[in-house]
Amino acid sequence: NAGVMQNPRHLVRRRGQEARLRCSPMKGHSHVYWYRQLPEEGLKFMVYLQKENIIDESGMPKERFSAEFPKEGPSILRIQQVVRGDSAAYFCASSPRSTGDEQYFGPGTRLTVT
Amino acid sequence: LAKTTQPISMDSYEGQEVNITCSHNNIATNDYITWYQQFPSQGPRFIIQGYKTKVTNEVASLFIPADRKSSTLSLPRVSLSDTAVYYCLVVFFGNEKLTFGTGTRLTIIP
Repeated sequence: NAGVMQNPRHLVRRRGQEARLRCSPMKGHSHVYWYRQLPEEGLKFMVYLQKENIIDESGMPKERFSAEFPKEGPSILRIQQVVRGDSAAYFCASSPRSTGDEQYFGPGTRLTVT
Repeated sequence: LAKTTQPISMDSYEGQEVNITCSHNNIATNDYITWYQQFPSQGPRFIIQGYKTKVTNEVASLFIPADRKSSTLSLPRVSLSDTAVYYCLVVFFGNEKLTFGTGTRLTIIP
């Protein structure tokens, strides 16, 4: 049973470009979470999704950021018109049921904006 | 305002027991407290989860007092490989907010 997969592992974008981060949850998991970790800082919750639904996006910046978890395929975190401050590690996690379940984390995508 | 607080850093010698406390107010009545370990450049890894009193597994124990306003992760006989950042994760009542603690950087000294 493969763990949570994230790709790419490293992503470099110039200011103003778009970044797309992908997350494939563990088999059988229908809940996905995205977190951001700035260098030398802790994990900050961004968004919580179930299949085809956004449950809580209170941690997402109001502009330029969006997330989806379609019926088929991976969850996507999309950042439009990236700025240097978006440089961070973005982690995806999945769980089988609810927010109270153990979350299984992926290896993260390290976004660098030049 | 929901808040989760941990000590920023701790040092310990190999072989000792280490206790890391997380303070959390307004925790959801029916939700669990979960602890994670994170090594540099890796995703967090589950350590232990509990709801009340005491939970023990093969790597750690978790102590939660009756009021559930705090929890303590206990690592018995630490080794150098336990050097990492440790986070508590709680869900806050009313808005289901997932909030990681500020993280505790544990350094084990040989």
